Amino acid sequence: AQKITQTQPGMFVQEKEAVTLDCTYDTSDQSYGLFWYKQPSSGEMIFLIYQGSYDEQNATEGRYSLNFQKARKSANLVISASQLGDSAMYFCAMRDIAGNTGKLIFGQGTTLQVKP
Amino acid sequence: DGGITQSPKYLFRKEGQNVTLSCEQNLNHDAMYWYRQDPGQGLRLIYYSQIVNDFQKGDIAEGYSVSREKKESFPLTVTSAQKNPTAFYLCASRKGSNYGYTFGSGTRLTVV
Repeated sequence: AQKITQTQPGMFVQEKEAVTLDCTYDTSDQSYGLFWYKQPSSGEMIFLIYQGSYDEQNATEGRYSLNFQKARKSANLVISASQLGDSAMYFCAMRDIAGNTGKLIFGQGTTLQVKP
Repeated sequence: DGGITQSPKYLFRKEGQNVTLSCEQNLNHDAMYWYRQDPGQGLRLIYYSQIVNDFQKGDIAEGYSVSREKKESFPLTVTSAQKNPTAFYLCASRKGSNYGYTFGSGTRLTVV
């Protein structure tokens, strides 16, 4: 069964420093997609970055980058130059491709707090 | 602007009552999804629909029902059979298999 594991319930980072949020996944599929979402206290899910299993380059979107290590089945999110507005909950998710449902399988999330 | 509208934002329900959460999208997306989120937890799939007039159970469908009579609308009914309905409910949509997901702003349901 597909599974996403986020082992850091809470993280602190100093403003302007970089932070890495861990994500490991388990799947027997060869084709899959990995997502990171940000959920502020208001509740909406904000898409940050996507990595396809066949993408050779690590995905980057502005201050966000995904450290994709396929052999280790990890897809860590790196946020550079943290800002106070980055304080939120962060979810790693995997798209079910083989089952053809299109559903997202989510991890438990990591709460990030940025200190001034 | 295109997006997903969930209403109401907050909903209170008495035990034994059915309530319906609204999800409307004007993105012309084919697939729609309902997720449940408990405090400090990830999202779990309740129901999904990949085409009008068709929907499938997700991982935690018991106590919930849905309909998909129009492409734009995917309402979720929380029935009295759902024993622990207090949660945050998120609706999402997606155009196709190679596209990303758009989420609504959620409905927070509380049983009183």
